[in-house]
Amino acid sequence: DGGITQSPKYLFRKEGQNVTLSCEQNLNHDAMYWYRQDPGQGLRLIYYSQIVNDFQKGDIAEGYSVSREKKESFPLTVTSAQKNPTAFYLCASSIGGTSMETQYFGPGTRLLVL
Amino acid sequence: AQTVTQSQPEMSVQEAETVTLSCTYDTSENNYYLFWYKQPPSRQMILVIRQEAYKQQNATENRFSVNFQKAAKSFSLKISDSQLGDTAMYFCAFMTPYASGSRLTFGEGTQLTVNP
Repeated sequence: DGGITQSPKYLFRKEGQNVTLSCEQNLNHDAMYWYRQDPGQGLRLIYYSQIVNDFQKGDIAEGYSVSREKKESFPLTVTSAQKNPTAFYLCASSIGGTSMETQYFGPGTRLLVL
Repeated sequence: AQTVTQSQPEMSVQEAETVTLSCTYDTSENNYYLFWYKQPPSRQMILVIRQEAYKQQNATENRFSVNFQKAAKSFSLKISDSQLGDTAMYFCAFMTPYASGSRLTFGEGTQLTVNP
């Protein structure tokens, strides 16, 4: 089945620790996105990538980093510089290019700080 | 900058009745898309419906339809014959193209509860 997978479902981070959230898609989509969702709020864009080996900062990129070495994968690292990382993280993908296409979402990762 | 406003944080409806969720947006762009996504308790974001701004006809998907008023920058979602499975958070979202690719801007959501 084609789709987007995110792992782990829950992730715990200790103070000063970097953690990496996984996002994989087998939809053959060029574009991938990372969003953060806080309680009672909508989604905010962290980073996005339209093509392999290229990515752009979104609205709240500080404290996060990404890589796009493969078309299928777009991992997000939450660094120790992110002072309030507790949130729900959603990965999405779309066909890509500069045209507007529907974004499809993965099931999300819940990050909690110990 | 584009903004999306959902003025109803919570709504409830009886099963089988009709409910309308409101959304307004602010943009100077002429070419854009609008979306409604639902997020049930599982937290999976699911596309409900999509509207292209250049289309005058309102989009429909089974029990879901929109009222798109471009001049008023309004994009409401009507759910007919509400079902218990419609209970979810509903997000309105706006998409516009950029040179570096299209981006979605979300409203803060409306929590809809369908009561038996």
